Amino acid sequence: DIVMTQSPVSLAVSLGERATISCRSSHSVLYSSNNLNYLAWYQQRPGQPPKLLIYWASTRESGVPDRFSGSGSGADFTLTISGLQAEDVAVYYCQQYFSTPYTFGQGTKLDIK
Amino acid sequence: EVQLVESGGGLVQPGGSLRLSCTASGFAFRRYWMSWVRQAPGKGLQWVANINQDGSEQFYADSAKGRFTISRDNAKKSLSLQMNVLRADDTAVFYCASFDWSYKGGAFDIWGQGTMVTVSS
Repeated sequence: DIVMTQSPVSLAVSLGERATISCRSSHSVLYSSNNLNYLAWYQQRPGQPPKLLIYWASTRESGVPDRFSGSGSGADFTLTISGLQAEDVAVYYCQQYFSTPYTFGQGTKLDIK
Repeated sequence: EVQLVESGGGLVQPGGSLRLSCTASGFAFRRYWMSWVRQAPGKGLQWVANINQDGSEQFYADSAKGRFTISRDNAKKSLSLQMNVLRADDTAVFYCASFDWSYKGGAFDIWGQGTMVTVSS
């Protein structure tokens, strides 16, 4: 199984500042034949189901604000939230879909400082 | 409105069975892979099972193999999860989710609100 490890486990960022969350996979999730990284990012607000933010490691889902961006390749990925807003308080998860079992990171809890 | 609505959760004793259902609306259900993802109280997300568009292929997490069965009825736009021999560590919110493999790969872009399953005596 591919193990997904996120860091930090929690972080607090001031409004308007940048938040950066890291995700590392135990195996590369880059498929060489199409040069796509099989990685997604989700936001889960309290009491809500997860919401897809990013797929293919860097493609923003329709309707997601452009302050959310994904980067990285192979086994190292980053979710960046530029200009943090109050509604961004949530837990963020990365997920690999390179192979089953699909696996998620343990989550990163983002709060306002 | 694009929607997935789960039902069937509840309290069940260890060793018991439960059948979860998920009804889709507002999108081309038969085009999508469907999945169940669960979340134990206060914990992270765990993928449980996938089923392909016509129901001919199913994939399971090790924790679900031999105990859970995923199925779908495209005519009724519904997804099911039959869960047998339930254990206390199956206690979780179970989410129905979908993905369009040809467009976004296995990224779950539609989620239900979830249904709570509690396994306890």
